[in-house]
Amino acid sequence: EAQVTQNPRYLITVTGKKLTVTCSQNMNHEYMSWYRQDPGLGLRQIYYSMNVEVTDKGDVPEGYKVSRKEKRNFPLILESPSPNQTSLYFCASSLLAGGPGDTQYFGPGTRLTVL
Amino acid sequence: TQLLEQSPQFLSIQEGENLTVYCNSSSVFSSLQWYRQEPGEGPVLLVTVVTGGEVKKLKRLTFQFGDARKDSSLHITAAQPGDTGLYLCAGAPWYGGSQGNLIFGKGTKLSVKP
Repeated sequence: EAQVTQNPRYLITVTGKKLTVTCSQNMNHEYMSWYRQDPGLGLRQIYYSMNVEVTDKGDVPEGYKVSRKEKRNFPLILESPSPNQTSLYFCASSLLAGGPGDTQYFGPGTRLTVL
Repeated sequence: TQLLEQSPQFLSIQEGENLTVYCNSSSVFSSLQWYRQEPGEGPVLLVTVVTGGEVKKLKRLTFQFGDARKDSSLHITAAQPGDTGLYLCAGAPWYGGSQGNLIFGKGTKLSVKP
């Protein structure tokens, strides 16, 4: 089944403890992206990757790191999490970066709480 | 910073009613997408509009892209409880022409009561 998977789905952690949220897609997609969703603020793009080894900042990259060493995986790294990073995180992928009608497929989400 | 303003923020209607959701910006977008998100799940793409003035229909849903490519609307005819969810518009800025930096509106939360 074609899908985007994220792990973990739920995570409660403490301030300053490094964590990684994994994202993997099995559709051979070039483009992958991370978003956070907060009440009243909607979905905001954190980082995106047009291809392997190519990443770029979205609208809210502060406090996050990403890497794209292989096509299928795009982990999100929080080196020193803070409470303001408590949020619902979504990973997404699409076949190509750009072009009309390019469907973006979203993962199921990771709910992160930083105490 | 480019923004997409969605209205209304919340909408509660009875089954069978019609409704329209708006997505507006002062910026030009190369394409605009509409997603629907249900609780506990990620957004799912409904449609992409690309050409100014374009109208697309998906069963009871009609999507329109403004002539100037700055706004879009979603019209639902004879709403059903299954239409309940969060509707999001998302635009690809004109300068890039790609989904590299996709901008989302804050969403319209629709509730259709039987």
